[in-house]
Amino acid sequence: LAKTTQPISMDSYEGQEVNITCSHNNIATNDYITWYQQFPSQGPRFIIQGYKTKVTNEVASLFIPADRKSSTLSLPRVSLSDTAVYYCLVGVLSGNTGKLIFGQGTTLQVKP
Amino acid sequence: DSGVTQTPKHLITATGQRVTLRCSPRSGDLSVYWYQQSLDQGLQFLIQYYNGEERAKGNILERFSAQQFPDLHSELNLSSLELGDSALYFCASSAGTANTEAFFGQGTRLTVV
Repeated sequence: LAKTTQPISMDSYEGQEVNITCSHNNIATNDYITWYQQFPSQGPRFIIQGYKTKVTNEVASLFIPADRKSSTLSLPRVSLSDTAVYYCLVGVLSGNTGKLIFGQGTTLQVKP
Repeated sequence: DSGVTQTPKHLITATGQRVTLRCSPRSGDLSVYWYQQSLDQGLQFLIQYYNGEERAKGNILERFSAQQFPDLHSELNLSSLELGDSALYFCASSAGTANTEAFFGQGTRLTVV
């Protein structure tokens, strides 16, 4: 099982770039890395997913080094509305043997 | 709005009772996932169904069971409830069998008293 480790909390200011790193030393060959965002009393919301190297979409970038033992979610120019908990998810569901492991989540506080 | 509907939003019940949580996936999604979120355990994957069949199992207790019906809605049945079962239960859906972009519902908050 790929266990993940993330910082418990991070602070930032509006307009700054925020990088949140997730460690997953035991990641398996077939595992993907997915990041979700969660606001209080709401379900998690998909942000981005990748397997290796770099992935970018309209809201974030995901950097994955060659050994895939960690990944970094990059949020450009955060705003107050980005204050949330961010989860790193490692795994893949394949047949009856897939397992999903959520990290403990990183609480990001964006200050004005 | 993710397109995933969960009912009820809140549920209060006594220990030893049985409850059923319901989930309607996004239109066209064949996979339904159930998750439990509690303060001490965090977000935990319970079980996945794909097109009516169980696909993957996570940390789901034997007292809990789920099913997906022909119309693709899913139910999570929790029985012999204990205080420790109090949590937020989320349903998510995705188009395929791999957990790519899954869309989560608003959750059902279960309180066992």
